[in-house]
Amino acid sequence: SQQGEEDPQALSIQEGENATMNCSYKTSINNLQWYRQNSGRGLVHLILIRSNEREKHSGRLRVTLDTSKKSSSLLITASRAADTASYFCATGLSGSARQLTFGSGTQLTVLP
Amino acid sequence: ETGVTQTPRHLVMGMTNKKSLKCEQHLGHNAMYWYKQSAKKPLELMFVYSLEERVENNSVPSRFSPECPNSSHLFLHLHTLQPEDSALYLCASSQYGTSSYEQYFGPGTRLTVT
Repeated sequence: SQQGEEDPQALSIQEGENATMNCSYKTSINNLQWYRQNSGRGLVHLILIRSNEREKHSGRLRVTLDTSKKSSSLLITASRAADTASYFCATGLSGSARQLTFGSGTQLTVLP
Repeated sequence: ETGVTQTPRHLVMGMTNKKSLKCEQHLGHNAMYWYKQSAKKPLELMFVYSLEERVENNSVPSRFSPECPNSSHLFLHLHTLQPEDSALYLCASSQYGTSSYEQYFGPGTRLTVT
């Protein structure tokens, strides 16, 4: 079974609201990353959190990591229509940190 | 622009054709990757080239053959594909040997096998 699984699979919110996406994984990790993908395009790296970190911020993004629960969350604050995209978590495992395992993604729709 | 380019962007091929996908990275990275993205499925890592080492996902059929002539270029040679091989093929690169783990993706090649 896959390493990373996002929840929910789809999320629809109004512009200005916050969006929270969750990711669960199964094995020990070196790092966890979040990527964004606009329809039919390549993935864009958003933020990386290492296994010894608990929280990280980048602009309107906030990522948390709970290694005891093997879970992470991505919070996008004050969402905009341009945030509409698919969001993926990817885990780099201890021992092979550069080979990432991706989840199925959360499709976020921000309504204007 | 992420610094990773892929050609062609779209490809339609019959099951008996032979074609190649090309990827080029302009970031000075030393690791390159091929991924397959099918609808409703997670990204599947197909191949990794890192410091002249090749890592292969054992579930990838032999009708997919990678080639990495240097650290900037990566090819995926395709032959006798099946309709289920239709997908978005993504190339990525990263810098191996540093504390940086993020990958930079190209825009992908949308492959349709008829």
